[in-house]
Amino acid sequence: DQQVKQNSPSLSVQEGRISILNCDYTNSMFDYFLWYKKYPAEGPTFLISISSIKDKNEDGRFTVFLNKSAKHLSLHIVPSQPGDSAVYFCAASGQINAGNMLTFGGGTRLMVKP
Amino acid sequence: ETGVTQSPTHLIKTRGQQVTLRCSSQSGHNTVSWYQQALGQGPQFIFQYYREEENGRGNFPPRFSGLQFPNYSSELNVNALELDDSALYLCASSLWTSGSDTQYFGPGTRLTVL
Repeated sequence: DQQVKQNSPSLSVQEGRISILNCDYTNSMFDYFLWYKKYPAEGPTFLISISSIKDKNEDGRFTVFLNKSAKHLSLHIVPSQPGDSAVYFCAASGQINAGNMLTFGGGTRLMVKP
Repeated sequence: ETGVTQSPTHLIKTRGQQVTLRCSSQSGHNTVSWYQQALGQGPQFIFQYYREEENGRGNFPPRFSGLQFPNYSSELNVNALELDDSALYLCASSLWTSGSDTQYFGPGTRLTVL
């Protein structure tokens, strides 16, 4: 039972254009959502988060949108840069179990072409 | 500010052996979580420690155990290693406040079981 899904395993975008990465979740108890970027041989790096009381959060080139009714969130990167090429994971947490465990999607590999 | 560190970087063990992985949390953080990331998948939650006690556990057998020390560093122990335990083991630290806390990851330990 995969509670967080990233349905696109890969995405290719031209430098300077917008990258849109999508994530769907099934558990309505999730109330905090995060995006991480991961380079090979490194741990995930936190990018941006959003609480369920908001529908948008922006930090520089990165914006996360949350649609609670559709149980969908997306990460927009504008403009995309070659250094953004990495695997992106969305993650969700909530008062489901003891602790604030993160449930991750399977990741989307973003390739930004110069 | 010191980030999350993990040791060792790489480890090779044989089936049936035991292994201990170590993690130092980011300064100011009081919670440590451990995740297993198999190749091509998102990280899977193993367990979380808060104030030296297990604060939540994922779907992992009891041969996966842990400790948190008074300085908030942590160990992950795996007994009776199996081939499927080969993975990247990630440690993440956070400051427990409301439960919607951002977790920051270390670089990981790559475990290979032969």
